[in-house]
Amino acid sequence: GENVEQHPSTLSVQEGDSAVIKCTYSDSASNYFPWYKQELGKRPQLIIDIRSNVGEKKDQRIAVTLNKTAKHFSLHITETQPEDSAVYFCAASIRNFGNEKLTFGTGTRLTIIP
Amino acid sequence: DSGVTQTPKHLITATGQRVTLRCSPRSGDLSVYWYQQSLDQGLQFLIQYYNGEERAKGNILERFSAQQFPDLHSELNLSSLELGDSALYFCASSVLIQEAYNEQFFGPGTRLTVL
Repeated sequence: GENVEQHPSTLSVQEGDSAVIKCTYSDSASNYFPWYKQELGKRPQLIIDIRSNVGEKKDQRIAVTLNKTAKHFSLHITETQPEDSAVYFCAASIRNFGNEKLTFGTGTRLTIIP
Repeated sequence: DSGVTQTPKHLITATGQRVTLRCSPRSGDLSVYWYQQSLDQGLQFLIQYYNGEERAKGNILERFSAQQFPDLHSELNLSSLELGDSALYFCASSVLIQEAYNEQFFGPGTRLTVL
């Protein structure tokens, strides 16, 4: 089955600096890659996603890049703010005829230092 | 608020017992997913239902079972509970239109503690 590895497990950055989280996946059939943010005690919430036919996607301060050949994708957060502190999960999914199975990475605890 | 509801919010029970977790998807969503989140295992996909039918299965134990009812709410049944089953159980829902990539909306979760 699919295996998703995520690095680093913890990341501390100064407010205003950029943060990068990297993930690799094993199944070349995976075609959908969402990123979720989970604040302490709360539900995971989708912050950005990318499909396998796109190399890069940006939404304000957040961007995701995908390299299908190398089977890795990354989350970039620029101009970090204290409210960006949370655990971030990458995931990979194969969507096929109404079946979907999201495989998550192990999470990155991001701390923004004021 | 995602529109997905889960009950109960917290559940404390003993080893060997059986519990049922309930999920109501967002209005209009036909697909329901169950996840287990524990400290050492992260977020693990358990099972997916679409309009009452099981569609995908993850690492769900044989002691666990789920179903989706005609009104689209879903229940996750956990039996012969062990200490290691203590975790946060999330339900998510999506429209799941095949031609589009639809976001999964997560509920607030049920925290299960097995003593």
